[in-house]
Amino acid sequence: DQQVKQNSPSLSVQEGRISILNCDYTNSMFDYFLWYKKYPAEGPTFLISISSIKDKNEDGRFTVFLNKSAKHLSLHIVPSQPGDSAVYFCAARGNQFYFGTGTSLTVIP
Amino acid sequence: GAGVSQSPSNKVTEKGKDVELRCDPISGHTALYWYRQSLGQGLEFLIYFQGNSAPDKSGLPSDRFSAERTGGSVSTLTIQRTQQEDSAVYLCASSPGGAFYGYTFGSGTRLTVV
Repeated sequence: DQQVKQNSPSLSVQEGRISILNCDYTNSMFDYFLWYKKYPAEGPTFLISISSIKDKNEDGRFTVFLNKSAKHLSLHIVPSQPGDSAVYFCAARGNQFYFGTGTSLTVIP
Repeated sequence: GAGVSQSPSNKVTEKGKDVELRCDPISGHTALYWYRQSLGQGLEFLIYFQGNSAPDKSGLPSDRFSAERTGGSVSTLTIQRTQQEDSAVYLCASSPGGAFYGYTFGSGTRLTVV
């Protein structure tokens, strides 16, 4: 049973616009959330995180929002750049990290 | 080492053969994880080692899959009698102390069963 879901397998955005990637989870006990970015032929790399005691964390062009009541988090990238084109995975921490299925972002120059 | 190292980076094998995939975690990391990513799929958890504790094998898809971690460091994932559905990228990750920290992933081994 998938505890972390990314319902959009792909997303295309024009360069300079905002990219919004969404993630839903089922377990209200998850206390820490991460976003990973993965380029082809490379392993996922850590991008940004948020603790369940916060509702927003910002790092440069990347902002993660957490809505605990809706069990939903989102990653905003603004402005989007062609180098942001990658697969993005969200992960939630229980007794291990549970990963979503990923969203492939394409930023069109 | 500086990062998580996996070998080989690519492996093509014939159906029915056994394969071994290797993972060298970051030195000092006590937790080690194996995941796989099949075409069009997300990261599927396979197995988790934490220190000297018994591994969490709950994600292994069949008894053809096994893994060991020697000396609390290097890990080997073995797939016996490979099937075409085993074709995937196998990713290893390590962390300093289990799920308290985020993971550092290796670049993966792309396994193709023909």
